[in-house]
Amino acid sequence: ETGVTQSPTHLIKTRGQQVTLRCSSQSGHNTVSWYQQALGQGPQFIFQYYREEENGRGNFPPRFSGLQFPNYSSELNVNALELDDSALYLCASSLARQGRNTEAFFGQGTRLTVV
Amino acid sequence: AQSVTQPDIHITVSEGASLELRCNYSYGATPYLFWYVQSPGQGLQLLLKYFSGDTLVQGIKGFEAEFKRSQSSFNLRKPSVHWSDAAEYFCAVGSNTGNQFYFGTGTSLTVIP
Repeated sequence: ETGVTQSPTHLIKTRGQQVTLRCSSQSGHNTVSWYQQALGQGPQFIFQYYREEENGRGNFPPRFSGLQFPNYSSELNVNALELDDSALYLCASSLARQGRNTEAFFGQGTRLTVV
Repeated sequence: AQSVTQPDIHITVSEGASLELRCNYSYGATPYLFWYVQSPGQGLQLLLKYFSGDTLVQGIKGFEAEFKRSQSSFNLRKPSVHWSDAAEYFCAVGSNTGNQFYFGTGTSLTVIP
Protein backbone atom coordinates (compact mmCIF):
# COMPACT_ATOMS: atom_id res chain seq x y z
CA GLU A 1 0.00 0.00 0.00
CA THR A 2 1.36 3.41 -0.98
CA GLY A 3 1.25 6.51 1.19
CA VAL A 4 -0.58 8.57 -1.45
CA THR A 5 -4.07 9.53 -0.37
CA GLN A 6 -6.72 11.31 -2.39
CA SER A 7 -9.96 12.97 -1.38
CA PRO A 8 -12.78 12.73 -1.92
CA THR A 9 -13.15 9.22 -3.32
CA HIS A 10 -16.30 10.03 -5.24
CA LEU A 11 -17.85 13.29 -6.35
CA ILE A 12 -20.86 14.35 -8.40
CA LYS A 13 -20.96 17.83 -9.91
CA THR A 14 -23.18 19.71 -12.31
CA ARG A 15 -21.96 20.96 -15.67
CA GLY A 16 -20.48 24.46 -15.33
CA GLN A 17 -19.50 24.04 -11.70
CA GLN A 18 -15.98 24.06 -10.31
CA VAL A 19 -14.29 21.22 -8.42
CA THR A 20 -11.19 20.80 -6.26
CA LEU A 21 -9.53 17.45 -5.76
CA ARG A 22 -6.84 16.86 -3.16
CA CYS A 23 -3.81 14.66 -2.88
CA SER A 24 -1.36 13.97 -0.07
CA SER A 25 2.01 12.77 -1.31
CA GLN A 26 3.98 9.89 0.06
CA SER A 27 6.35 11.01 2.78
CA GLY A 28 9.65 12.25 1.36
CA HIS A 29 8.35 12.76 -2.17
CA ASN A 30 8.74 16.15 -3.83
CA THR A 31 6.85 15.67 -7.09
CA VAL A 32 3.15 15.28 -7.73
CA SER A 33 1.52 14.46 -11.04
CA TRP A 34 -2.14 14.34 -11.97
CA TYR A 35 -3.72 12.04 -14.50
CA GLN A 36 -7.19 11.74 -15.97
CA GLN A 37 -8.45 8.25 -16.73
CA ALA A 38 -11.63 8.09 -18.76
CA LEU A 39 -13.63 4.89 -18.70
CA GLY A 40 -11.88 2.16 -20.64
CA GLN A 41 -8.79 4.26 -21.30
CA GLY A 42 -5.30 4.57 -19.95
CA PRO A 43 -4.39 7.49 -17.72
CA GLN A 44 -3.62 10.75 -19.52
CA PHE A 45 -1.05 13.15 -18.08
CA ILE A 46 -2.56 16.47 -16.97
CA PHE A 47 0.36 18.21 -15.29
CA GLN A 48 3.12 17.84 -12.75
CA TYR A 49 4.33 19.93 -9.85
CA TYR A 50 7.86 19.92 -8.54
CA ARG A 51 8.72 21.99 -5.48
CA GLU A 52 5.52 24.01 -5.80
CA GLU A 53 5.97 24.93 -9.46
CA GLU A 54 4.36 23.46 -12.55
CA ASN A 55 6.90 21.23 -14.26
CA GLY A 56 5.20 19.99 -17.36
CA ARG A 57 1.71 19.91 -18.74
CA GLY A 58 -0.21 17.60 -20.99
CA ASN A 59 -2.82 18.46 -23.58
CA PHE A 60 -5.42 19.88 -21.22
CA PRO A 61 -7.09 23.32 -21.35
CA PRO A 62 -6.28 26.11 -18.86
CA ARG A 63 -9.46 25.44 -16.90
CA PHE A 64 -7.45 22.56 -15.42
CA SER A 65 -5.14 24.10 -12.88
CA GLY A 66 -3.24 23.00 -9.85
CA LEU A 67 -1.25 23.85 -6.77
CA GLN A 68 1.44 22.19 -4.75
CA PHE A 69 1.94 23.22 -1.14
CA PRO A 70 5.14 23.42 0.94
CA ASN A 71 4.35 20.01 2.44
CA TYR A 72 4.16 18.69 -1.16
CA SER A 73 0.46 17.97 -1.03
CA SER A 74 -1.45 19.09 -4.08
CA GLU A 75 -4.78 20.21 -5.47
CA LEU A 76 -6.31 19.83 -8.89
CA ASN A 77 -8.90 22.43 -9.81
CA VAL A 78 -11.23 22.17 -12.74
CA ASN A 79 -13.41 25.12 -13.71
CA ALA A 80 -16.49 25.20 -15.94
CA LEU A 81 -16.99 21.45 -15.74
CA GLU A 82 -18.04 19.62 -18.87
CA LEU A 83 -19.67 16.22 -19.21
CA ASP A 84 -16.45 14.84 -20.74
CA ASP A 85 -14.58 15.69 -17.55
CA SER A 86 -16.24 12.67 -15.95
CA ALA A 87 -13.35 10.35 -15.16
CA LEU A 88 -11.12 8.85 -12.51
CA TYR A 89 -8.52 11.40 -11.47
CA LEU A 90 -5.29 9.89 -10.25
CA CYS A 91 -2.55 11.54 -8.28
CA ALA A 92 0.98 10.16 -8.37
CA SER A 93 3.88 11.14 -6.16
CA SER A 94 7.55 10.50 -6.69
CA LEU A 95 10.98 11.62 -5.63
CA ALA A 96 12.45 13.37 -8.63
CA ARG A 97 16.18 13.46 -9.09
CA GLN A 98 17.63 15.66 -11.78
CA GLY A 99 18.02 13.87 -15.07
CA ARG A 100 16.58 10.62 -13.82
CA ASN A 101 13.10 9.24 -13.81
CA THR A 102 11.96 7.39 -10.74
CA GLU A 103 8.95 5.26 -10.07
CA ALA A 104 5.69 6.94 -9.20
CA PHE A 105 3.23 5.80 -6.58
CA PHE A 106 -0.43 6.31 -7.32
CA GLY A 107 -3.32 7.06 -5.07
CA GLN A 108 -6.67 5.30 -5.29
CA GLY A 109 -8.16 8.11 -7.34
CA THR A 110 -11.19 10.37 -7.20
CA ARG A 111 -14.14 9.34 -9.33
CA LEU A 112 -15.71 12.53 -10.71
CA THR A 113 -19.11 12.39 -12.36
CA VAL A 114 -20.41 15.47 -14.15
CA VAL A 115 -24.15 15.55 -14.80
CA ALA B 1 6.78 11.68 -29.47
CA GLN B 2 6.38 9.07 -26.83
CA SER B 3 3.63 6.50 -27.18
CA VAL B 4 2.71 3.07 -25.95
CA THR B 5 0.70 0.43 -27.77
CA GLN B 6 -0.95 -2.52 -26.09
CA PRO B 7 -2.35 -4.54 -28.98
CA ASP B 8 -4.54 -6.83 -26.90
CA ILE B 9 -7.60 -5.13 -25.46
CA HIS B 10 -8.78 -8.23 -23.63
CA ILE B 11 -7.19 -11.60 -22.84
CA THR B 12 -8.74 -14.65 -21.22
CA VAL B 13 -6.59 -17.40 -19.73
CA SER B 14 -7.24 -20.43 -17.59
CA GLU B 15 -5.98 -20.47 -14.05
CA GLY B 16 -2.55 -22.07 -13.97
CA ALA B 17 -1.80 -21.24 -17.60
CA SER B 18 1.02 -18.99 -18.66
CA LEU B 19 0.45 -15.36 -19.59
CA GLU B 20 2.10 -12.87 -21.89
CA LEU B 21 0.84 -9.30 -22.31
CA ARG B 22 2.31 -7.33 -25.17
CA CYS B 23 3.60 -3.79 -25.07
CA ASN B 24 5.31 -1.76 -27.77
CA TYR B 25 6.65 1.71 -27.21
CA SER B 26 7.90 4.63 -29.20
CA TYR B 27 10.53 6.82 -27.60
CA GLY B 28 13.49 8.74 -28.93
CA ALA B 29 15.97 7.85 -26.23
CA THR B 30 16.59 5.07 -23.76
CA PRO B 31 13.16 4.42 -22.32
CA TYR B 32 12.13 4.00 -18.76
CA LEU B 33 9.45 1.31 -18.85
CA PHE B 34 6.84 0.26 -16.35
CA TRP B 35 3.99 -2.15 -15.90
CA TYR B 36 1.13 -1.23 -13.60
CA VAL B 37 -1.94 -3.22 -12.54
CA GLN B 38 -5.33 -1.76 -11.72
CA SER B 39 -8.18 -3.55 -10.00
CA PRO B 40 -11.72 -2.26 -10.65
CA GLY B 41 -12.26 1.20 -9.21
CA GLN B 42 -8.75 1.31 -7.79
CA GLY B 43 -5.54 3.18 -8.41
CA LEU B 44 -2.45 1.80 -10.10
CA GLN B 45 0.00 -0.56 -8.47
CA LEU B 46 3.52 -0.87 -9.82
CA LEU B 47 4.40 -4.41 -10.89
CA LEU B 48 7.90 -3.80 -12.22
CA LYS B 49 10.14 -1.29 -13.89
CA TYR B 50 13.09 -1.12 -16.27
CA PHE B 51 15.59 1.71 -16.17
CA SER B 52 18.79 0.09 -17.41
CA GLY B 53 20.94 -3.02 -17.06
CA ASP B 54 19.58 -6.55 -17.23
CA THR B 55 16.84 -6.66 -19.82
CA LEU B 56 14.84 -9.27 -17.90
CA VAL B 57 13.29 -7.67 -14.85
CA GLN B 58 11.47 -9.33 -12.02
CA GLY B 59 8.50 -7.81 -10.30
CA ILE B 60 5.99 -8.50 -7.63
CA LYS B 61 3.39 -11.28 -7.65
CA GLY B 62 5.60 -13.51 -9.83
CA PHE B 63 5.57 -11.24 -12.88
CA GLU B 64 8.53 -10.55 -15.11
CA ALA B 65 9.11 -8.50 -18.23
CA GLU B 66 11.75 -8.46 -20.93
CA PHE B 67 13.01 -5.32 -22.63
CA LYS B 68 13.85 -5.85 -26.29
CA ARG B 69 15.28 -2.71 -27.82
CA SER B 70 15.34 -4.14 -31.36
CA GLN B 71 11.60 -4.78 -31.20
CA SER B 72 10.70 -1.74 -29.07
CA SER B 73 8.87 -4.11 -26.79
CA PHE B 74 8.46 -4.69 -23.08
CA ASN B 75 6.20 -7.72 -22.73
CA LEU B 76 4.90 -8.85 -19.37
CA ARG B 77 4.91 -12.53 -18.49
CA LYS B 78 3.82 -14.86 -15.73
CA PRO B 79 4.36 -18.63 -15.83
CA SER B 80 1.22 -19.58 -13.91
CA VAL B 81 -1.75 -17.26 -13.56
CA HIS B 82 -3.87 -17.09 -10.41
CA TRP B 83 -7.52 -16.06 -10.27
CA SER B 84 -6.49 -12.98 -8.28
CA ASP B 85 -4.48 -11.74 -11.27
CA ALA B 86 -7.69 -10.74 -13.05
CA ALA B 87 -7.37 -6.97 -13.52
CA GLU B 88 -6.42 -4.27 -16.01
CA TYR B 89 -2.75 -4.05 -16.93
CA PHE B 90 -1.08 -0.91 -18.18
CA CYS B 91 2.29 -0.51 -19.80
CA ALA B 92 3.89 2.92 -19.51
CA VAL B 93 6.96 4.72 -20.76
CA GLY B 94 8.47 7.45 -18.62
CA SER B 95 10.22 10.50 -19.94
CA ASN B 96 13.83 10.77 -18.85
CA THR B 97 13.08 14.12 -17.29
CA GLY B 98 10.10 15.31 -15.36
CA ASN B 99 8.69 11.96 -14.31
CA GLN B 100 5.89 12.12 -16.87
CA PHE B 101 4.35 8.83 -17.86
CA TYR B 102 2.69 7.85 -21.12
CA PHE B 103 0.31 4.95 -20.74
CA GLY B 104 -1.10 2.43 -23.14
CA THR B 105 -4.83 1.83 -23.32
CA GLY B 106 -4.53 -1.25 -21.15
CA THR B 107 -5.20 -4.98 -21.42
CA SER B 108 -8.04 -6.48 -19.45
CA LEU B 109 -7.22 -9.92 -18.09
CA THR B 110 -9.91 -12.47 -17.28
CA VAL B 111 -8.94 -15.68 -15.50
CA ILE B 112 -11.26 -18.65 -15.80
CA PRO B 113 -11.24 -21.60 -13.38
